[in-house]
Formats: sequence, structure tokens, C-alpha cells
Amino acid sequence: DVKVTQSSRYLVKRTGEKVFLECVQDMDHENMFWYRQDPGLGLRLIYFSYDVKMKEKGDIPEGYSVSREKKERFSLILESASTNQTSMYLCASSYPGTSGRNEQFFGPGTRLTVL
Amino acid sequence: AQSVTQLDSQVPVFEEAPVELRCNYSSSVSVYLFWYVQYPNQGLQLLLKYLSGSTLVKGINGFEAEFNKSQTSFHLRKPSVHISDTAEYFCAVSGGSNYKLTFGKGTLLTVNP
Repeated sequence: DVKVTQSSRYLVKRTGEKVFLECVQDMDHENMFWYRQDPGLGLRLIYFSYDVKMKEKGDIPEGYSVSREKKERFSLILESASTNQTSMYLCASSYPGTSGRNEQFFGPGTRLTVL
Repeated sequence: AQSVTQLDSQVPVFEEAPVELRCNYSSSVSVYLFWYVQYPNQGLQLLLKYLSGSTLVKGINGFEAEFNKSQTSFHLRKPSVHISDTAEYFCAVSGGSNYKLTFGKGTLLTVNP
């Protein structure tokens, strides 16, 4: 079974802090994604990566950056956390090719609260 | 560009009743369709997917969905729900060479005793 893990289930930070959210997958997937989930808004894509050191902006990249130094690990960075970044953050991965047609596998999520 | 509309944001039902969660999509290319479920404070788990072939797709936990190309729909059904089916359900679409998924805003299914 594919396993996607996230470093924390719950995180509380203060405004202005630098925040790192880590995601690791164990299935050698090429593609990795970061979403934020807010009530009534569904999942919104922040960034995705299709290879090591490669990244592309999603729909809401402002205030975030990412890092992918190794294939299995994809980090989301909040350079200076703000209260409007309080949210549930979900990491996902998928494999290339056509067999799965882009099915994504999700981690358990990190609920971040910025005070 | 692709989009997904989940027509109901909340669906309350009684235990053992049938349920249908509606999903419509738009796309200019061939699509691949997914339903995910999210239990409280958890990540998303795949329920079922349509890639090709039979338009009736069976998934886990007794759910099934039917792909209707003419109506651009992929509605999720279960003939008899349980309390444990209470969760949020997301419909998603991908297509063409784009490896991203486009998600609907979700439907909260609440099963009452």
C-alpha cells in the first residue's frame, strides 16, 4: 500500500514564525502536491512538483514556498505565518503514466493554527 | 480547462436509507473521474474511479457510481447507508496530459439514526 505521511497532525504557531510542513511518500512517485482545505472552499492546490527540484505554482501560491530535494520528500514552507493561513494542509502523491490516470494518494493532513 | 460541480453541499439521510451524491463535470478532453471520502480529521481516501470500460463502477464500502458522458455526470450511490458513512465526499476529474486533479467543493453526508 502507498503510504504518505505528514510530519505533524496538529501544529500551533505564532504570527510571523517560519513554518515547515513535511511530507514523505514511500512509493517512488514522481508527482507530489500540497493543498489547503477550508470549509466551503474544498481543496485548493498550492504547489506541485513533478520531479526532484522541479515545482510549479498551483492556484494559491502566495505566501508559500516549497522544496523538493529528494524524490520522496516534499516540504511546504510558510515564510512568515499569518492568521489567514490557519487551515488544514493535505499532501498527496501520484505516479506518472496512464495506468492510474492521475489518481492521487493523500496523507492524513496537518491542521495548522496560526495565533 | 476542467471543472467539477457537486450540486449539494450537505445531504442528511437516515440510517439504512439510499443516498445519491451528485457530481457534474466539464472538460474538453477525455476524462478520468474519482470519488474520494474524508472522515473527520483525516486525509482523503479513494472510494472508486472511472478510467474506461464499464460505466458502472463499484468501490469500497458498498458505494458505486455511474459515468454518464451525455449528461457529463458521475453520481455516487449507496443503496443503504450506515452511521459510519458520515463523512465528506469529493468528486474529482483529470484528463488529457494534465496530471492534476480538479476537485469539487465536497458534499457532507450526515447519516442520522
